[in-house]
Amino acid sequence: AQTVTQSQPEMSVQEAETVTLSCTYDTSESDYYLFWYKQPPSRQMILVIRQEAYKQQNATENRFSVNFQKAAKSFSLKISDSQLGDAAMYFCAYRSTTGNQFYFGTGTSLTVIP
Amino acid sequence: NAGVTQTPKFRILKIGQSMTLQCTQDMNHNYMYWYRQDPGMGLKLIYYSVGAGITDKGEVPNGYNVSRSTTEDFPLRLELAAPSQTSVYFCASRRQGAGHQPQHFGDGTRLSIL
Repeated sequence: AQTVTQSQPEMSVQEAETVTLSCTYDTSESDYYLFWYKQPPSRQMILVIRQEAYKQQNATENRFSVNFQKAAKSFSLKISDSQLGDAAMYFCAYRSTTGNQFYFGTGTSLTVIP
Repeated sequence: NAGVTQTPKFRILKIGQSMTLQCTQDMNHNYMYWYRQDPGMGLKLIYYSVGAGITDKGEVPNGYNVSRSTTEDFPLRLELAAPSQTSVYFCASRRQGAGHQPQHFGDGTRLSIL
């Protein structure tokens, strides 16, 4: 099974500042998909951003962007202009193109300080 | 559009009791998944289904059963509840086709076994 590692159990950021959450993964495959999900206190899992491994260009969704380093098997999430509503658990997830299973990291709890 | 609906939202069971967690989606998604999320952990896949009549084990299937008689419904059955099954359970669905399609999650069921 693939392994997804989030080495930062907790992070904090000042409101309006930028924060980067780390994610690394272990795979022998060349093509796959990566995702970041947000889980606020309401527990709902919300897709933040996704990246296809064959695309070299980093995905961007408004204030959220990724730094995808395929050779290093790294997929970090950058949140710019942090807002109080960004406070949540963030999960990194992996899925191969040939499989149906998603593999999740253990999450990073983000606190936004007013 | 309701998306993925899970019932109940909360439940307390006694050891040895059985129950079924319901999950239904109205997006005509072929793929459906059941996860459990233990405190401070990521999501672990219990079972998944790629279509009506087809199910497969995930990472932690022991103690659970599933069925998929229709595209819409994917119930999860606990036959003999054990304290180790205390967790938050998430159902998710995904569209078939383009592989980067993300999962859509229900709001979760918090289950306590006492």
